[in-house]
Amino acid sequence: AQSVTQLDSQVPVFEEAPVELRCNYSSSVSVYLFWYVQYPNQGLQLLLKYLSGSTLVESINGFEAEFNKSQTSFHLRKPSVHISDTAEYFCAVGLTGGGNKLTFGTGTQLKVEL
Amino acid sequence: KAGVTQTPRYLIKTRGQQVTLSCSPISGHRSVSWYQQTPGQGLQFLFEYFSETQRNKGNFPGRFSGRQFSNSRSEMNVSTLELGDSALYLCASSLDPAGANEQFFGPGTRLTVL
Repeated sequence: AQSVTQLDSQVPVFEEAPVELRCNYSSSVSVYLFWYVQYPNQGLQLLLKYLSGSTLVESINGFEAEFNKSQTSFHLRKPSVHISDTAEYFCAVGLTGGGNKLTFGTGTQLKVEL
Repeated sequence: KAGVTQTPRYLIKTRGQQVTLSCSPISGHRSVSWYQQTPGQGLQFLFEYFSETQRNKGNFPGRFSGRQFSNSRSEMNVSTLELGDSALYLCASSLDPAGANEQFFGPGTRLTVL
């Protein structure tokens, strides 16, 4: 069975500072990897995904994540955060051929401070 | 294009009762998945439906059931409610069950069991 570990439950950071949210996964078969963001009282929104090909994937709002197969990681980074990035971030894994079932990590609360 | 709609948004029930939650996917989407989100267990997959057939099922007791209609709308039912069923129930829709497609999440139904 697959699993996802997000080691940091909370990450405080000052505005305009860089941030990295860590995600490690475990699976015996090929996976798809996702980062979702959840703002208060809202559902989840897809931030970016890795399916295959280039290991570095980017979102339209400045986030990027790199798939590292040897370290089974998919860390999320942003070089300069904004107050509006304050939200909870979830890493998720789906199995190729496994339909739309996603296994989520426990989430990382990113708090951006002035 | 309208997003995923979930009704009702909030629900209060008492132990032993049953509840039905509804999800209307994005127009043209035929795959619907359900997740339970709690502070203790995080996001957990309940089930996935495509073309009125359950394709995937998570690790939940038989009290949790669902169905999908010919117009792709989906309902989930929880019978004999327990206090631990209090959670945010999220529905996600996708074009098909390929796994690589983006899943769009609704705002959720917050169920409180007293």
